[in-house]
Amino acid sequence: AQKVTQAQTEISVVEKEDVTLDCVYETRDTTYYLFWYKQPPSGELVFLIRRNSFDEQNEISGRYSWNFQKSTSSFNFTITASQVVDSAVYFCALLEYNFNKFYFGSGTKLNVKP
Amino acid sequence: NAGVTQTPKFQVLKTGQSMTLQCAQDMNHNSMYWYRQDPGMGLRLIYYSASEGTTDKGEVPNGYNVSRLNKREFSLRLESAAPSQTSVYFCASSETVNRGAGDQPQHFGDGTRLSIL
Repeated sequence: AQKVTQAQTEISVVEKEDVTLDCVYETRDTTYYLFWYKQPPSGELVFLIRRNSFDEQNEISGRYSWNFQKSTSSFNFTITASQVVDSAVYFCALLEYNFNKFYFGSGTKLNVKP
Repeated sequence: NAGVTQTPKFQVLKTGQSMTLQCAQDMNHNSMYWYRQDPGMGLRLIYYSASEGTTDKGEVPNGYNVSRLNKREFSLRLESAAPSQTSVYFCASSETVNRGAGDQPQHFGDGTRLSIL
């Protein structure tokens, strides 16, 4: 079974639209961490955010916001007023604390058109 | 400010050849990882090393071996390359995660694009 599911393979929006990238995870570990990474066309992986399983506070950083809901095992990522530079593949990832193993989702490719 | 350095950046091999991908980090991290990235598959963990002297299998270890040479270096070896191993390989490192610790994300190298003919 997939540990991290990103059901949206590809999303296209027009600049200035808001967009939400979905992430659903599965774990039996009581302590875990969730991450979002961005991979722009240049190929490098850029860390965006990390949340632990004890902290369900939502977070906002500029145009980015994250909604963590343990009840639905989801950690969704919203970009407000999207820009062309946001075009990238976004990966959600899960770290199971007791096994120190990472699981990545298959990624969502975001295309922001001018 | 090198972070995680992978060599080589590109490589083409023939089926059956052997190859070692090198990875070094200068952040004094305990944990190191090797992933492969294939279209539509995201990143899949091949092997990881939680600390110097230990290595463990990830999701897709078959056809690979690793060596944690010291705290800085973690190499990935393909003994007999197969076309199915054509991929982009990423090395990463992180501090061992402790409950209550601050942000400790994985830091990634720039990747090695490996093609096997």
